[in-house]
Amino acid sequence: QVHLQESGPGLVKPSETLSLTCGVSGSSVSSSFFWAWIRQPPGKGLEWIGTIYRSGTTYYNPSLKSRVTLSMDTSQNQFSLRLTSVTAADTAVYYCARDYCGGGRCSGTDYWGRGTLVTVSS
Amino acid sequence: DIQMTQSPSSLSASVGDRVTITCRASQGISTYLHWYQQKPGKAPKLLIFEASTLQSGVPSRFSGSGSGTDFTLTISSLQPEDFATYYCQQTYTTPSMTFGQGTRLDIK
Repeated sequence: QVHLQESGPGLVKPSETLSLTCGVSGSSVSSSFFWAWIRQPPGKGLEWIGTIYRSGTTYYNPSLKSRVTLSMDTSQNQFSLRLTSVTAADTAVYYCARDYCGGGRCSGTDYWGRGTLVTVSS
Repeated sequence: DIQMTQSPSSLSASVGDRVTITCRASQGISTYLHWYQQKPGKAPKLLIFEASTLQSGVPSRFSGSGSGTDFTLTISSLQPEDFATYYCQQTYTTPSMTFGQGTRLDIK
């Protein structure tokens, strides 16, 4: 059974850096899946933040690219998100998730963490 | 960027009704279109991938169709547990992705 769990501070001050980690069990971050961060502001829709692959290759939403860094720790089987210079607009539930596309096929984002609410406020 | 537009944004229906939700892509995405169900306070749940393939464990009353730019999610006979928000997602640009704005399905 695949399980993802987000961890990190639930409150971040404006202009500071949001840091979250996603611990993975039941699947290896070194495998052929993509590992993604997706967020959802309160009462709003889903926004893709970025994705990291086992090689360490990263892909970012252009609207956030200048502030986002994803990284991976294969020894801990986890991956992480850093979002700098946060504002109230970054207040959201942050999800980590597993995604797969390969050989011309895509099987969707099949496993998600429960999500963690991060509030940006002084 | 590929934009995904769902319609309607919300709808009300009754148990037993047949419901259809539409998702339109701003450009052709083949069948790289997936559907999710989200209940309040929960993570999205994958229902259908590649436009029409039912995810394991998902009831057969859910079905999907379409290719190119126009897609539909159909629930053949609404059950009480189906009242939720539904999202489409494109991964034609994998590994990047975009979501529709969501369709909220309420009890009439």
